[in-house]
Amino acid sequence: GENVEQHPSTLSVQEGDSAVIKCTYSDSASNYFPWYKQELGKRPQLIIDIRSNVGEKKDQRIAVTLNKTAKHFSLHITETQPEDSAVYFCAATPLSGGYNKLIFGAGTRLAVHP
Amino acid sequence: DVKVTQSSRYLVKRTGEKVFLECVQDMDHENMFWYRQDPGLGLRLIYFSYDVKMKEKGDIPEGYSVSREKKERFSLILESASTNQTSMYLCASTSPPTGDYGYTFGSGTRLTVV
Repeated sequence: GENVEQHPSTLSVQEGDSAVIKCTYSDSASNYFPWYKQELGKRPQLIIDIRSNVGEKKDQRIAVTLNKTAKHFSLHITETQPEDSAVYFCAATPLSGGYNKLIFGAGTRLAVHP
Repeated sequence: DVKVTQSSRYLVKRTGEKVFLECVQDMDHENMFWYRQDPGLGLRLIYFSYDVKMKEKGDIPEGYSVSREKKERFSLILESASTNQTSMYLCASTSPPTGDYGYTFGSGTRLTVV
């Protein structure tokens, strides 16, 4: 089955700096890679996702890159702000059979210091 | 606004009790999932269902069962609660046939088994 590894487990940056979180996956059939943000005491929420036919996707200050050959994908946050402080989860799944069973990484706790 | 509702935010149960965690979604989603979230381990899939009365084991099904009698409701059952089942439980739903692959999560149930 799929296995997703996520690094680092904690990340501390100064406001305005960039933050990068990396994930690797094991199942070469995986073709959907979402990222979730979980603020303290709240539910995880989808912030960006990418399909395997795309190498990069951007949405304002966040971007995700995918390297299918190396089986890794990364989340990039530019110009970080204190409200970016949260736990971030990557996930992967092979979309097939009409359902998508996401396998999540262990999470990265990002702290943005003013 | 789409919603996934978990019936209890906090629960305290005794060892050996049978515990029911309820999840209801109002989005007519086909797929529903139960995850448990533990620090340093991320979100681990317990069970999922892609249709009424259909269920599939996830990565950590031992000690759990599920029920999906109606499309909108997916219940997680702890047959005989144990202290190692103390955790945050998250329900999620999605609807790949409509092209919506992103999960919508419930607010979570923090279960403590004493």
